[in-house]
Amino acid sequence: SQQGEEDPQALSIQEGENATMNCSYKTSINNLQWYRQNSGRGLVHLILIRSNEREKHSGRLRVTLDTSKKSSSLLITASRAADTASYFCATEIQGAQKLVFGQGTRLTINP
Amino acid sequence: GAVVSQHPSRVICKSGTSVKIECRSLDFQATTMFWYRQFPKKSLMLMATSNEGSKATYEQGVEKDKFLINHASLTLSTLTVTSAHPEDSSFYICSASSGLSYNEQFFGPGTRLTVL
Repeated sequence: SQQGEEDPQALSIQEGENATMNCSYKTSINNLQWYRQNSGRGLVHLILIRSNEREKHSGRLRVTLDTSKKSSSLLITASRAADTASYFCATEIQGAQKLVFGQGTRLTINP
Repeated sequence: GAVVSQHPSRVICKSGTSVKIECRSLDFQATTMFWYRQFPKKSLMLMATSNEGSKATYEQGVEKDKFLINHASLTLSTLTVTSAHPEDSSFYICSASSGLSYNEQFFGPGTRLTVL
């Protein structure tokens, strides 16, 4: 079963605002990754954070990881209409070379 | 960056026929390839993991005889949906890993299968 839970399931904000999405997981992980998916398209890898890291930045993206709470957040600052997509977290579980995906957050940026 | 392609991007077939989907790593050797299935507005569900030259490892609940996976080379894996039925209609996505860099997976663009 999917171990990642994401909230909110859907988020709608105005262009220019910040968007925050959260992900929780259940077991020990090697790393946690965030992906974006535009409707009907493949996945685009956004950022990977290792289990021994707490925060990572990439452009307008900021990811945090709290292994004690088994949770992660993805912050998109100064959102743009082009950021409209579904965002998924995925965890690489310790001892298993596979990713387990969360349910995803559908983000809509209103112009 | 690493590029993974899938072919076809979209396929419509009649119930009872078999459909083959190809996944290729274009600029790197993929020691491991993964096949996922995604229902509309849902998450990706891992179907199976395949290593070049060996049998695929299927996730619980995935029928091996229904979804045949072949990983014949370090750049090609195929998924064959046998005797397809309308409930097999879905978005199938593959990914490939070179085994380096924290097992990072590179995803293909997906194949939309519609079974009539």
